[in-house]
Amino acid sequence: GNSVTQMEGPVTLSEEAFLTINCTYTATGYPSLFWYVQYPGEGLQLLLKATKADDKGSNKGFEATYRKETTSFHLEKGSVQVSDSAVYFCALTPWGYALNFGKGTSLLVTP
Amino acid sequence: DAGVIQSPRHEVTEMGQEVTLRCKPISGHDYLFWYRQTMMRGLELLIYFNNNVPIDDSGMPEDRFSAKMPNASFSTLKIQPSEPRDSAVYFCASSPSGTGNTGELFFGEGSRLTVL
Repeated sequence: GNSVTQMEGPVTLSEEAFLTINCTYTATGYPSLFWYVQYPGEGLQLLLKATKADDKGSNKGFEATYRKETTSFHLEKGSVQVSDSAVYFCALTPWGYALNFGKGTSLLVTP
Repeated sequence: DAGVIQSPRHEVTEMGQEVTLRCKPISGHDYLFWYRQTMMRGLELLIYFNNNVPIDDSGMPEDRFSAKMPNASFSTLKIQPSEPRDSAVYFCASSPSGTGNTGELFFGEGSRLTVL
């Protein structure tokens, strides 16, 4: 079946630190991959996506590269801010609609 | 533009009571999804609809759960009877199909259910 595994949190970083949140997937075929972000008290919103191998998704300073050989889609940001504190979800869809989500990784950035 | 609208935002009820959660998708979106979020299990897809027709309800935990979509602008998720283990945040999301689809789901703010 299709599934996503994320590193467990919480992750605590100081402002301006480098962020990596690991995500690996299991899927049949060639899924599209996503990172969603959930701020406190809100629903999820799309952060970035990649639809084929070697694609790099990017948004708001975050990046992730679709690595088919390692079945990974790790999220990175060079310099985090306090406002990046949120829960981050890796997700995949094999056919463009319903998503399978990872369990989420909580990020806390301290001043 | 209005996003996905869910109600109620918070619901506290006692075990055995019926709970109805409501969702209004974004106008023009013909896919609608219900997810449940818990600390233990993360985000689980319960059911999704296309053009008001249920396509996959394999994620619905048991017969106590039911979902309907009587028209393109309204869906309900009902739990009867409710149990403490149903306590969770329930999210509704919608998505357009065809050329409008980018794989992005648009989520509501969720309904937090507490069953005592």
